[in-house]
Amino acid sequence: EPEVTQTPSHQVTQMGQEVILRCVPISNHLYFYWYRQILGQKVEFLVSFYNNEISEKSEIFDDQFSVERPDGSNFTLKIRSTKLEDSAMYFCASILGVGQPQHFGDGTRLSIL
Amino acid sequence: GQNIDQPTEMTATEGAIVQINCTYQTSGFNGLFWYQQHAGEAPTFLSYNVLDGLEEKGRFSSFLSRSKGYSYLLLKELQMKDSASYLCAVRDNAGNMLTFGGGTRLMVKP
Repeated sequence: EPEVTQTPSHQVTQMGQEVILRCVPISNHLYFYWYRQILGQKVEFLVSFYNNEISEKSEIFDDQFSVERPDGSNFTLKIRSTKLEDSAMYFCASILGVGQPQHFGDGTRLSIL
Repeated sequence: GQNIDQPTEMTATEGAIVQINCTYQTSGFNGLFWYQQHAGEAPTFLSYNVLDGLEEKGRFSSFLSRSKGYSYLLLKELQMKDSASYLCAVRDNAGNMLTFGGGTRLMVKP
């Protein structure tokens, strides 16, 4: 069964550094999402992306965050200047069309030192 | 805004049936989803309801009442591997984003 894949599985970065988290959505899917989950807390929506542009974003997704689909397969989340509170699991998800359930990748654990 | 409530923890016995409740108050509603999440892993889709009633999928069933803002996930013939967190999530009218509850940690005992 096709899967959403994310790399790296674990990223350790110094505070203030830029980080890029990568996702390869399921190949024929059209809608892409990023969520995060701080340890012990709920899963939180960050941003959704469709037709090469952001369709929705949450309050968490401020100017330090950006997303890009640089080619036909990758979907990236960039954090420009990381803060300690950015430490979390970051999950990518994708769907084929409106109304479909979202399928999550295995996540990237981001640790900011 | 969205508010989604689930019990924090539940305990049940192997072979038994357990019902995990979820209530929601949302500005819009376009479906309710249940996910399973083992510690340190990604959420895995279990079931979803858009219309009122019961959806059955093997050992798992999910029920929705939109007028009451209420759903439950029913797990039958519990197995030890069912020990996990169960996440209730609502999709609003504005788009496909999901708003998650805090999750219910289920512990299955022998």
